[in-house]
Formats: sequence, structure tokens, C-alpha cells
Amino acid sequence: GENVGLHLPTLSVQEGDNSIINCAYSNSASDYFIWYKQESGKGPQFIIDIRSNMDKRQGQRVTVLLNKTVKHLSLQIAATQPGDSAVYFCAEKGYSITGNQFYFGTGTSLTVIP
Amino acid sequence: DAGVTQSPTHLIKTRGQHVTLRCSPISGHKSVSWYQQVLGQGPQFIFQYYEKEERGRGNFPDRFSARQFPNYSSELNVNALLLGDSALYLCASSLAGYSNQPQHFGDGTRLSIL
Repeated sequence: GENVGLHLPTLSVQEGDNSIINCAYSNSASDYFIWYKQESGKGPQFIIDIRSNMDKRQGQRVTVLLNKTVKHLSLQIAATQPGDSAVYFCAEKGYSITGNQFYFGTGTSLTVIP
Repeated sequence: DAGVTQSPTHLIKTRGQHVTLRCSPISGHKSVSWYQQVLGQGPQFIFQYYEKEERGRGNFPDRFSARQFPNYSSELNVNALLLGDSALYLCASSLAGYSNQPQHFGDGTRLSIL
């Protein structure tokens, strides 16, 4: 099956700094990726997505970069705020004989220091 | 607008019992997926339903089953509960089944097996 992994399990940043969260995927045929934010006691919240025909996509204070050559995703958060503290997951849309499903990484816990 | 709603929010069962979890998708969404999230890990795909048909199945035993109703709501059933079934069960909905569209999650049902 697919292997979606994160390089760092935890990340601490100062308030106002930029954050970068990385993710590696193994299936070069994957064509759709999503970043989610999960706060304690809640379900994953959609942040931003990107299709494989793009290298970069920007949202409000967030940017996702996709490097298909090395099968790597990153999420950049500008001017990180205390409310950004959460666990961040990348998810890869996989295909199997049984249908479509999303594969999630282990997650990176982001702590913003005031 | 209401997001994905799940019930109950918490549930305690004993080994060998049966449980039914319920999910109402975002209005207009026709696809529902179920995930299991064990503490400290990313969500693991269990099922996807679209237009009342199963479209995807993850690597879970036959004790797990699901269905989708004409109003697109869904139930996840787990029989012969084991201690290892203790987890957060997440439901996610999306507009369609196969297109590259984000899944939006509810806050889950926390299932504890004693």
C-alpha cells in the first residue's frame, strides 16, 4: 500500500515566524493531495489541496508545494499564530482494486510559542 | 451551514458487544467515508460509500460493515468488539465518489472498549 510519512513528528515555532511541515509519499501515480489540521478533540479540518498537475498552491497564510520528482509535499504557514497549534496531516488519494481511499501520514504536532 | 455530524460523541462498550455509529453528511454531499483513528496515529480508511453503493474498502475484518441510506446518511457497524477497536471513528463526506475533491470530516465518535 501507499506510504505517506512525515519527516518530523513535532515542530515548535515562535509566534510570527513561518512554519514548514514536510511530507513524503511513495506512489508516483498519486494525483491528489490534501493537508488537514486536527485540534484536540476534533476531527481533521481541511486546509488546502493540490492536484499533481500543479507545483504550488496558495491559500490564506498557507502554501502547499508539491515536488513530484522526489515525491515530497510541504505545507508552509506564514506568520504562525497560537491558533495554528495542532496536529497536521498530509493525505494522499490512492487507488486500489477495491476503490478510492485516502492515505494519511502519522502527523506533525505544531506548537506555537507566544 | 451544518457540517458533518456524527452520533454519539462518546460510547463505552464491553468486549463481544455490537455497536452502531451514525453519520450525516454535509447537505448536497453524496459520498461518505469512514476512518478509524487510533491515538497518536493518522486516520485509517475503512469504507467509502457513494450513491448507496460501497466504492472502497480498507484492510479491516468482516466484523466491520456499513451502509448508506437514500438521504445519504450512513451507519458503521462493528460486531464482536475487541479491545483493539477502541479508537476515534471519523466520518467524512464529499460531493462525489471518484473525482478529486476534498473530504470534510466530522468530530468523530470516541469508542472505548472495556
